[in-house]
Formats: sequence, structure tokens, C-alpha cells
Amino acid sequence: GAVVSQHPSWVICKSGTSVKIECRSLDFQATTMFWYRQFPKQSLMLMATSNEGSKATYEQGVEKDKFLINHASLTLSTLTVTSAHPEDSSFYICSARDGGRSSYNEQFFGPGTRLTVL
Amino acid sequence: QKEVEQDPGPLSVPEGAIVSLNCTYSNSAFQYFMWYRQYSRKGPELLMYTYSSGNKEDGRFTAQVDKSSKYISLFIRDSQPSDSATYLCAAERGNTPLVFGKGTRLSVIA
Repeated sequence: GAVVSQHPSWVICKSGTSVKIECRSLDFQATTMFWYRQFPKQSLMLMATSNEGSKATYEQGVEKDKFLINHASLTLSTLTVTSAHPEDSSFYICSARDGGRSSYNEQFFGPGTRLTVL
Repeated sequence: QKEVEQDPGPLSVPEGAIVSLNCTYSNSAFQYFMWYRQYSRKGPELLMYTYSSGNKEDGRFTAQVDKSSKYISLFIRDSQPSDSATYLCAAERGNTPLVFGKGTRLSVIA
């Protein structure tokens, strides 16, 4: 199956700093990537939808100036958490949609990035 | 009301039992229905997807969709300890973001 990687897998940072998380589709071109946040024992909450070469579409309640998303190529999207605070500590997961495989455009998920803000 | 409702459990069963996981949804426009499995601190992996109503079987797993009652089910036969994970149902209209249920934590006890 298709592989999506995320880097880093975990990161600890000080409050006020910015953190960048990368999401890569390794063996397919992803025209659309999604960013989710998951708190402990909770479901995945969609943060934004990212299309290659265009601005991301953010879900209601997600601050676009705080969570900067860049989808510069068909295999890479980045999420930057700016001026991180302890309440931003969470598990961030990306997924990528392979538009070329079948009539059903399956989403492939990355392994997630655990962010801890001290 | 959330678009996709799922009982979070936890659900604990003995090894070899048949497991039934269920979700309901409210949006009639949903066409694709998925079940994902997520191990602790990992990303979700797709188990099965179903288009419209009907059953789909893959090994020990059977997915069932009843669009008339807006009900989604996943059955696991001969459950194994390795099946212990969180199971998430999801739905979408087609080329739209997935809408997830809360996830059900399953423990299969040896």
C-alpha cells in the first residue's frame, strides 16, 4: 500500500517557540493532504485540508495564523505550530489522498507526531 | 448532534469471541463508509471501506452498511489479542474530508 511518513515522530519544545512537522507521500502523488489533531482517548479532529499549490482550507475554530500549512509539492506538506503553548500539546496526524489509484480516493495516514510543549 | 456517532467503549472480550462494533450517522449524503484501526500512538490504518449499502468481507472482518437506518457495523470473528486497538468508523460524501466517529477501544483478552 501507499506510504505516508511524518517527521519528527515526537518533539518537545519550550513555550513560545515554533515547531514544523513534515508530511510526505513516499510512493504516490498527493493532490490533497489533511492535517488532524488527536487528544488522548479522543477521535481525530480535522484541522485543515491542503491542496498542492493553493492555500489551505481551515476548519472552523482552527487559527490559520497559528497553524501554518504549506503544500509546496505533490509529495510534501508542512504544518508549523507558531508560538506554541502547552495547550497545543497533542498528537498531530497527516493523511494524503492518492487521486490516481481508483474511483475511491483512499486517504493514507502518517504515523503521527507527538508534540509536547513545556 | 455529531454527524457520526460511535460508542467509545471500552469493550473487552475473550479471545475467540465475535466482536460487533457499531456507528450511526446523520448525513444522508454520505456514500463511502470506512473502518480504521489505530494502535496506541500510531496513525490509523484502513481496514475496509464500503460504498453505499451492503456487506463486505475480508478474512475475519465483515463491514456492513444499512443506509435506510444509517447504521454502520464491523464484525470481527475469532478475535485475537492482536486485534486490541481503537476502531474508528468514518464516512464521506466522496472526495471530501472524512468525518470520524469517536472510536471504540477494544481489548481482546487471551
